[in-house]
Amino acid sequence: EPEVTQTPSHQVTQMGQEVILRCVPISNHLYFYWYRQILGQKVEFLVSFYNNEISEKSEIFDDQFSVERPDGSNFTLKIRSTKLEDSAMYFCASREGQLLSYNEQFFGPGTRLTVL
Amino acid sequence: GQQVMQIPQYQHVQEGEDFTTYCNSSTTLSNIQWYKQRPGGHPVFLIQLVKSGEVKKQKRLTFQFGEAKKNSSLHITATQTTDVGTYFCAGSRGSTLGRLYFGRGTQLTVWP
Repeated sequence: EPEVTQTPSHQVTQMGQEVILRCVPISNHLYFYWYRQILGQKVEFLVSFYNNEISEKSEIFDDQFSVERPDGSNFTLKIRSTKLEDSAMYFCASREGQLLSYNEQFFGPGTRLTVL
Repeated sequence: GQQVMQIPQYQHVQEGEDFTTYCNSSTTLSNIQWYKQRPGGHPVFLIQLVKSGEVKKQKRLTFQFGEAKKNSSLHITATQTTDVGTYFCAGSRGSTLGRLYFGRGTQLTVWP
């Protein structure tokens, strides 16, 4: 069964450093998302991406964040200068299409980011 | 802004007991989805409800969407240890872009 994959599974970085989190969405999906989950808390939307551009972003997704789909398969989230409060599990998700009946989002296993 | 509240935050039950989690939105939703997250895992889609008053069943799980499309519930009959995990509701406001507003989740523990 097709699945969303994410690398790395765990990333440890120093405050102020840049990190890139990578995702490979399911191949025929058109919509891509990044969410984050601080330990023990709810899943929070960061950004959605469609047709090679950001379609919506939350207040969390400030100038320090960017997303890219550099080729036909990868979808990346970059944090330019990490802060301690960026420590969280970051989930990538993808969705097949526009119809409500295909609204299910498939989540990847996540990347645990630890900022020291 | 959009708020999705979910209660209770924790629920401990004996195996065989029933379990219910409730979700309430501050605004009308176009649809609501339910996800299950096992400890250390990622959210896994369970179901989507779209119509006002809709009820759907998956074996021992019953999902309801309120008439006003602002609340929802998940009921598990006769829980099993395999039901352990956190159950999240996630609402969508109708944009085809699909942003989900997650509730805080209900963490279910089932004692054998």
